[in-house]
Amino acid sequence: EADIYQTPRYLVIGTGKKITLECSQTMGHDKMYWYQQDPGMELHLIHYSYGVNSTEKGDLSSESTVSRIRTEHFPLTLESARPSHTSQYLCASSELRLPGEQYFGPGTRLTVT
Amino acid sequence: SQKIEQNSEALNIQEGKTATLTCNYTNYSPAYLQWYRQDPGRGPVFLLLIRENEKEKRKERLKVTFDTTLKQSLFHITASQPADSATYLCALDNHRDDKIIFGKGTRLHILP
Repeated sequence: EADIYQTPRYLVIGTGKKITLECSQTMGHDKMYWYQQDPGMELHLIHYSYGVNSTEKGDLSSESTVSRIRTEHFPLTLESARPSHTSQYLCASSELRLPGEQYFGPGTRLTVT
Repeated sequence: SQKIEQNSEALNIQEGKTATLTCNYTNYSPAYLQWYRQDPGRGPVFLLLIRENEKEKRKERLKVTFDTTLKQSLFHITASQPADSATYLCALDNHRDDKIIFGKGTRLHILP
């Protein structure tokens, strides 16, 4: 079992609210990622980071933002939640050196009403 | 555009038999190919990685093959068990743009 944690596991929230999804890892990994996954679909990369103070946008256009102030912590924030944000959000980490097999958290299931 | 294709339909295999899952890709030159297992409502779990210059990799009951000419990987589970029932994801890494792309996965059901 990987040492990567996500909170909350489930979140139901109204439209327009600001939310932060938390992700922490205790493996000392430099690289961290946020993916979005809908049922039966592939994972889409929305943000990633190479280390402290590094943030990059992924392939999926997203209205979210991330920060990386500490190696172990990579929170994702939605300033104004919309029903289209309803999805499963998965956080992952990997070592900087290649190959980079990824270790995933349990995910946050977000529902925006 | 880059594309990964995995069996879209669920695969039903009798317990004890070998399950074989396929991953095909186009418009991509992976340096590594990875396989993950994902259970419902959970994050994927890394299983095996194979490099472009390797033909086959084994780990316990798992075997992965990689044919860069056919642009295909096969994932085998021998002596399958009901506990092997899950969705299996194929993922490609081209070693250049620091991203891994994932397939949609194949749902595997091992029937007791």
